[in-house]
Amino acid sequence: AQSVTQLGSHVSVSEGALVLLRCNYSSSVPPYLFWYVQYPNQGLQLLLKYTSAATLVKGINGFEAEFKKSETSFHLTKPSAHMSDAAEYFCAVSGAGGTSYGKLTFGQGTILTVHP
Amino acid sequence: DTAVSQTPKYLVTQMGNDKSIKCEQNLGHDTMYWYKQDSKKFLKIMFSYNNKELIINETVPNRFSPKSPDKAHLNLHINSLELGDSAVYFCASSQDSWGWDEQYFGPGTRLTVT
Repeated sequence: AQSVTQLGSHVSVSEGALVLLRCNYSSSVPPYLFWYVQYPNQGLQLLLKYTSAATLVKGINGFEAEFKKSETSFHLTKPSAHMSDAAEYFCAVSGAGGTSYGKLTFGQGTILTVHP
Repeated sequence: DTAVSQTPKYLVTQMGNDKSIKCEQNLGHDTMYWYKQDSKKFLKIMFSYNNKELIINETVPNRFSPKSPDKAHLNLHINSLELGDSAVYFCASSQDSWGWDEQYFGPGTRLTVT
């Protein structure tokens, strides 16, 4: 079985401040990990993904995430927040085998608010 | 050109009715999905198809029946709608079904059952 926990349903930062969105996963097989972003009234869009290559993954719009197996974490960061980053962010895990094969499991989402 | 499109965008209907949501992708992908996003924004997979073959069928009531006439289309038919079916339904597609490929999402269909 696999699961994702996102710590903090709401995160608020000032424009220009560091963005840190936390994600912890559970998986019985080597995981593939993803961050998706959802803007209001839109579908989800991929920010970045980890598929067992480099542990530090760079994505679009200046976001990056680091896979830490020992901590079962995949936190999303951005050095300097922009107003346009305000959205809801979803962490997701997919398993390479077993009953999780091909199945993307999402966390509950974190709403990011950016203040001027 | 929209990669993954869904119709309708909004659907308001009464309990007991039967309705369908259509999805089309023009990315040439082999795998398509249906997800349900509830009022708390929790997103859960319902079904996936690979080349018209059902490969994931989560514990969804059998009132929900997906149909894939070809690999570019995946429709969702819902019988005897209930209040609890109110949600946003997202269609998605990916090149493979192994789980490591990016999924491209449609804009969603907001279903309201009254």
